[in-house]
Amino acid sequence: EPEVTQTPSHQVTQMGQEVILRCVPISNHLYFYWYRQILGQKVEFLVSFYNNEISEKSEIFDDQFSVERPDGSNFTLKIRSTKLEDSAMYFCASSGGGRQTNYGYTFGSGTRLTVV
Amino acid sequence: AQSVAQPEDQVNVAEGNPLTVKCTYSVSGNPYLFWYVQYPNRGLQFLLKYITGDNLVKGSYGFEAEFNKSQTSFHLKKPSALVSDSALYFCAVRDRLSGGYNKLIFGAGTRLAVHP
Repeated sequence: EPEVTQTPSHQVTQMGQEVILRCVPISNHLYFYWYRQILGQKVEFLVSFYNNEISEKSEIFDDQFSVERPDGSNFTLKIRSTKLEDSAMYFCASSGGGRQTNYGYTFGSGTRLTVV
Repeated sequence: AQSVAQPEDQVNVAEGNPLTVKCTYSVSGNPYLFWYVQYPNRGLQFLLKYITGDNLVKGSYGFEAEFNKSQTSFHLKKPSALVSDSALYFCAVRDRLSGGYNKLIFGAGTRLAVHP
């Protein structure tokens, strides 16, 4: 069964540093998402991406965050200057969006970001 | 605005007994509804979804859920709980009117503890 792949599985970074979280969505999916989960808590929507642009973003997704699909395969989330409160599990997801993929969403296994 | 409520932070069940994890939702149109499970230090695993058709949906690992439009509920059930079912369960909703890129909105999660 197709999977969404995220790398790395765990990243530790110093406060103020830039991090890039990487995701390879399912190849025929058209819609891409990033979600965040602070340890053991609610899964929060960050951003959705379609047709090479952001289609929706939450209030969490401020100017420190950006997303990119640089090569038609990878989908990245960049945090420019990390803060302690950015420590969380970050999930990438992709969706075919419609009936052809039965409206499903597939999530990656997550990247645990620890900011020290 | 879309929202999901999972009224119980934790559900405790004895092994072999039936279990129910509750979920209610609010959307502007008809919903797409999902259940995901998260085991410790793992990603989000899809259990089942309601898109259309039969209100009783069967999913992975013997779980099922019933869509009740009048009560705006989508409770997760299993006839006989296993200790291995102990995990964090998330209900999620998407408004079907809002287009293919629309995000999933997650509930706060319910921790299921199945005791031997």
